[in-house]
Amino acid sequence: AQTVTQSQPEMSVQEAETVTLSCTYDTSESDYYLFWYKQPPSRQMILVIRQEAYKQQNATENRFSVNFQKAAKSFSLKISDSQLGDAAMYFCAYSRGSTLGRLYFGRGTQLTVWP
Amino acid sequence: DTGVSQNPRHKITKRGQNVTFRCDPISEHNRLYWYRQTLGQGPEFLTYFQNEAQLEKSRLLSDRFSAERPKGSFSTLEIQRTEQGDSAMYLCASSFPDLNTEAFFGQGTRLTVV
Repeated sequence: AQTVTQSQPEMSVQEAETVTLSCTYDTSESDYYLFWYKQPPSRQMILVIRQEAYKQQNATENRFSVNFQKAAKSFSLKISDSQLGDAAMYFCAYSRGSTLGRLYFGRGTQLTVWP
Repeated sequence: DTGVSQNPRHKITKRGQNVTFRCDPISEHNRLYWYRQTLGQGPEFLTYFQNEAQLEKSRLLSDRFSAERPKGSFSTLEIQRTEQGDSAMYLCASSFPDLNTEAFFGQGTRLTVV
């Protein structure tokens, strides 16, 4: 069974600083994707970044980057130059390669950004 | 607006009543997903469709829940004989597997059963 674990219920960061959110997962599949979704108070889930398991290079999207450690089944999100608008609940999620929308989510990490 | 649309945004109902939610996916997306999210938890998968075919149902989708996508466009999720434990946010998402797109989510329908 696929499981996703986020061990940090809450994190906080000062504006302009860097923060890293942790995620581990468990799967026996070889073809899969990992995602970080952001859910602000408006509740709409927004994709932050995705990583294909077959790619060795870590994905980056502007201030967001991941550290994908396939052997350790670890997938952390680094937010650089944090902004007030980054404050939200962040969910790590897994999907099989054949069904990207069929997601297994972690319990989330609430990120607070202090001015 | 070309995003995923869900209606209503909020629904308050009395225990034992039936409720129905609607989801309109992004127009070219042929896969549609339903999730349930309770407070403090990540979304949990309920079911998904490819066009009008329901391809997977979670065991969370009890006999009181039914989802349809009759013409492969919009979808409805009905809950019969609602219980207080059904109170949650119901999220809909859509994707287009031919282009290997990830899921795009709607804003959700918040259900409160009193």
